[in-house]
Amino acid sequence: GAVVSQHPSWVICKSGTSVKIECRSLDFQATTMFWYRQFPKQSLMLMATSNEGSKATYEQGVEKDKFLINHASLTLSTLTVTSAHPEDSSFYICSVGRLNSPLHFGNGTRLTVT
Amino acid sequence: GESVGLHLPTLSVQEGDNSIINCAYSNSASDYFIWYKQESGKGPQFIIDIRSNMDKRQGQRVTVLLNKTVKHLSLQIAATQPGDSAVYFCAENRGGGSNYKLTFGKGTLLTVNP
Repeated sequence: GAVVSQHPSWVICKSGTSVKIECRSLDFQATTMFWYRQFPKQSLMLMATSNEGSKATYEQGVEKDKFLINHASLTLSTLTVTSAHPEDSSFYICSVGRLNSPLHFGNGTRLTVT
Repeated sequence: GESVGLHLPTLSVQEGDNSIINCAYSNSASDYFIWYKQESGKGPQFIIDIRSNMDKRQGQRVTVLLNKTVKHLSLQIAATQPGDSAVYFCAENRGGGSNYKLTFGKGTLLTVNP
């Protein structure tokens, strides 16, 4: 299965600032990565599909101007939460898709906006 | 099990007992299903998967059963151990052939008592 690394594992930022989260595929080149968000005691909700070399595809209700996704290389996708607010505090998790293999997930980033 | 509001369904078992975690899915077109285990503060970890052309698949200490007639999926864990304590999610693929786009169920919290 894919080995996925996320950084940072946790971050605290002030309201109004931006935060960048990195997702790396360590053992293969991923044309597709996925970003999920998980609130406490809830399930994972898909936010967007990150496509290498092209624009990300966002799920309904997810603001693309607020959650900027960049997938500039086959091993790295970044999610930037712009102008973060306390309601953006959540657990953000990326995953990597490999043909005919199940999705494998990173260990997540705990974002706290104060 | 069914979830109510923000409260996860819970299952409490004694160490050494067998555990059965249930999941109902909604899309009859889903053709690929995965069970994930999520420990506190970590990303989901792949356990076992099954395709819709099967009704049973076994792994090490785990078995997944699929009943397409009633759109029901279950995960059986044999000889449950304290290390099995976690939240378990089922996920279904609605992407029509791709393993990538998964929709997660609400999750079940498994607690194993020593």
